[in-house]
Amino acid sequence: NAGVTQTPKFQVLKTGQSMTLQCAQDMNHEYMSWYRQDPGMGLRLIHYSVGAGITDQGEVPNGYNVSRSTTEDFPLRLLSAAPSQTSVYFCASSRGTSGGARQETQYFGPGTRLLVL
Amino acid sequence: GDSVTQMEGPVTLSEEAFLTINCTYTATGYPSLFWYVQYPGEGLQLLLKATKADDKGSNKGFEATYRKETTSFHLEKGSVQVSDSAVYFCASFNTGFQKLVFGTGTRLLVSP
Repeated sequence: NAGVTQTPKFQVLKTGQSMTLQCAQDMNHEYMSWYRQDPGMGLRLIHYSVGAGITDQGEVPNGYNVSRSTTEDFPLRLLSAAPSQTSVYFCASSRGTSGGARQETQYFGPGTRLLVL
Repeated sequence: GDSVTQMEGPVTLSEEAFLTINCTYTATGYPSLFWYVQYPGEGLQLLLKATKADDKGSNKGFEATYRKETTSFHLEKGSVQVSDSAVYFCASFNTGFQKLVFGTGTRLLVSP
């Protein structure tokens, strides 16, 4: 098992450019999510998905889009990058959402470091 | 809304010292509680968890007990090692919103 994989590891964008951060998991997990990590602020939830075809907003969704066409993949799209989106982005997945979700461990990818100039 | 508060760092200790990192939470209901660890340049990985009051999570010599009366989940280790140097995040799982709520993280630095 590769677990949760993310690409790219590092990216530099100019303001206004768009890009997609890729996330994939091979554990057949229902729940997937995107967080951003900023100094002094911990991790904040951007978007999450409880299964293929279902997505919802987290705490800081503005400027980001997601889709979940398959169980395995959960890409994060930046439509028009802004310097405020400079951050480290983590994708995570966990096994279930029905009833037992509160007990489930979330598995994190290695992160994508994004710099927007 | 739900929140998690943990002590600010960095926490600087000598090897074999006792470690406590405080964590308190506010939540409706009874969330599951987690400690995650992030080593330099890596993603987060689960250290331990507790899913109900009075549960004790433990792993790699670390322990934390779910205290409902004080809404706390403090992380402890009796004897830290240099390899424990990392950032530690306390988190609660909000079932209603299906999300982990993280504290801001506490950096631990252990010197030989």
